[in-house]
Amino acid sequence: DGGITQSPKYLFRKEGQNVTLSCEQNLNHDAMYWYRQDPGQGLRLIYYSQIVNDFQKGDIAEGYSVSREKKESFPLTVTSAQKNPTAFYLCASSSSGRITGELFFGEGSRLTVL
Amino acid sequence: AQSVTQLGSHVSVSEGALVLLRCNYSSSVPPYLFWYVQYPNQGLQLLLKYTSAATLVKGINGFEAEFKKSETSFHLTKPSAHMSDAAEYFCAVSAAYGGSQGNLIFGKGTKLSVKP
Repeated sequence: DGGITQSPKYLFRKEGQNVTLSCEQNLNHDAMYWYRQDPGQGLRLIYYSQIVNDFQKGDIAEGYSVSREKKESFPLTVTSAQKNPTAFYLCASSSSGRITGELFFGEGSRLTVL
Repeated sequence: AQSVTQLGSHVSVSEGALVLLRCNYSSSVPPYLFWYVQYPNQGLQLLLKYTSAATLVKGINGFEAEFKKSETSFHLTKPSAHMSDAAEYFCAVSAAYGGSQGNLIFGKGTKLSVKP
């Protein structure tokens, strides 16, 4: 079945450590996104990529980094510079060129900093 | 620029009662509008979308929404709530022309509780 796979689902990190969250899609979508979700805050955009080897900062990119070396993959690194990294992270994809803008989401990764 | 306001962070209804979740949007161009549902510790799933065709949109699980341009609203309704409807619901907007940053702008969500 086509879809988006995020891993790990749960992750614990000590302060000062970098962690990388994986996002893989087999929907043949051009565009991929990372959102952060905090209770009562809705979804906030971290980074997005419309094409391989290109990505753009979203509203809250500080302390995060991404890469897009393959169409299927869009990993997110939460660096030690991120002041409050404990959150639920959601990866999504969409088919660029479709102006309906529908996003398809993974199951999410919950990061807890100890 | 686009924005979304969801009125009420928490809504509680009895099983069998009407569900009404409110969403107002702001957009400088004709909008595309979406409702997503999220169950605990899961991703978001599309319930329905408005893309400038019929103003009354029917979605999955018996939900529907009506686009009202004069009121800039896109409220979500379901005639009879079921226990399985308990979840968080997000309204989202995107520009109808071209791509906007992040593709979709989300509201802050409304948690729906269903009492037996």
